[in-house]
Amino acid sequence: GESVGLHLPTLSVQEGDNSIINCAYSNSASDYFIWYKQESGKGPQFIIDIRSNMDKRQGQRVTVLLNKTVKHLSLQIAATQPGDSAVYFCAERFNSGYALNFGKGTSLLVTP
Amino acid sequence: DAGVIQSPRHEVTEMGQEVTLRCKPISGHDYLFWYRQTMMRGLELLIYFNNNVPIDDSGMPEDRFSAKMPNASFSTLKIQPSEPRDSAVYFCASSPPLRDEQFFGPGTRLTVL
Repeated sequence: GESVGLHLPTLSVQEGDNSIINCAYSNSASDYFIWYKQESGKGPQFIIDIRSNMDKRQGQRVTVLLNKTVKHLSLQIAATQPGDSAVYFCAERFNSGYALNFGKGTSLLVTP
Repeated sequence: DAGVIQSPRHEVTEMGQEVTLRCKPISGHDYLFWYRQTMMRGLELLIYFNNNVPIDDSGMPEDRFSAKMPNASFSTLKIQPSEPRDSAVYFCASSPPLRDEQFFGPGTRLTVL
């Protein structure tokens, strides 16, 4: 079946650099995408979301880009900080439903 | 707001025993979701409710799993009998009306020996 996947399971960046986490999806009917951050021992925490009628959305230090042509989603974190170290999940929602289909996650490690 | 509350935070039980996980969603939220997270399978949706009514339980692995939502402020996920392969972290999440993002609880780490 169609699923959400991630290009890189782990990403190591230096403090202060920008981070880019990528996600591929295969369901063209998905109308909503969301990024979560999960720290060790905690539940996923909402970061930012985007609807399929948009291609870019910005938050505080984070930007989500959606490329529907190649079914690709990315999360950009500006000036990465040690507190950004966590596992990041992308998720898609199939059209007309409320269920989220999560990817496997990317581990981001920020080194000083 | 206290956020989504789950109990217990950790549960260790023996195979064959009944396990009940509890969730209190954020007040005013009308959707409630139960997820299971494992290293092998990631985050999987088990079931979700809208206004206390189960909408989609296609993710419930088998008849040993059941979920209820008797009122807007409480839901349970029950496993009877439990098996070692049920060991995972179980998350509850809720969504407010007319919003799409889901707010997750801290999870219950279940270990079935």
